[in-house]
Amino acid sequence: GDSVTQMEGPVTLSEEAFLTINCTYTATGYPSLFWYVQYPGEGLQLLLKATKADDKGSNKGFEATYRKETTSFHLEKGSVQVSDSAVYFCALFHNTDKLIFGTGTRLQVFP
Amino acid sequence: DAGVTQSPTHLIKTRGQQVTLRCSPKSGHDTVSWYQQALGQGPQFIFQYYEEEERQRGNFPDRFSGHQFPNYSSELNVNALLLGDSALYLCASSLTVSGDKYFGPGTRLTVT
Repeated sequence: GDSVTQMEGPVTLSEEAFLTINCTYTATGYPSLFWYVQYPGEGLQLLLKATKADDKGSNKGFEATYRKETTSFHLEKGSVQVSDSAVYFCALFHNTDKLIFGTGTRLQVFP
Repeated sequence: DAGVTQSPTHLIKTRGQQVTLRCSPKSGHDTVSWYQQALGQGPQFIFQYYEEEERQRGNFPDRFSGHQFPNYSSELNVNALLLGDSALYLCASSLTVSGDKYFGPGTRLTVT
């Protein structure tokens, strides 16, 4: 069945460092791909999405490109801030009308 | 524009009891989905409601049931609570069944 695999955390960075969080997926056909962010004690917020191959989703300085050939949707940000500290979830949406999530990657940014 | 709201915020129950969680969707949204997020895990799909009917269900036992009202709000009911039911329960709403999902803040359920 469909699945999402994320790199294990925590990812620990200094402020202004470059961020990459890896995400790969398994699915038949062409799912839509998402990144959600969860701040401490809160629910999930949609960060960005891409609906077809080679699409780039972007929001708040974060970017991710839908790579069909490598079945990947890695999240990147050029310069992280302390306020970016949160748990990031990669997810896919395909056919079944439900989101399938990875296990999440915790990002810790220190000043 | 109000987002997705959930109540209560926190809840403590004893094994064997029953619980009801509530969700109001984002304005204009007609579809509600429920997810269970265990500590340190990604959310798992429980079920989805559209037009007051359960449209799809994940791999959860019949102890988990739900309802959608004519105003699109929804309830999640869990009977015969187990310790393993302790989790954050998230409600997500969308404009149509395949639309982008917007999540509420969740209800933290603790079963003792």
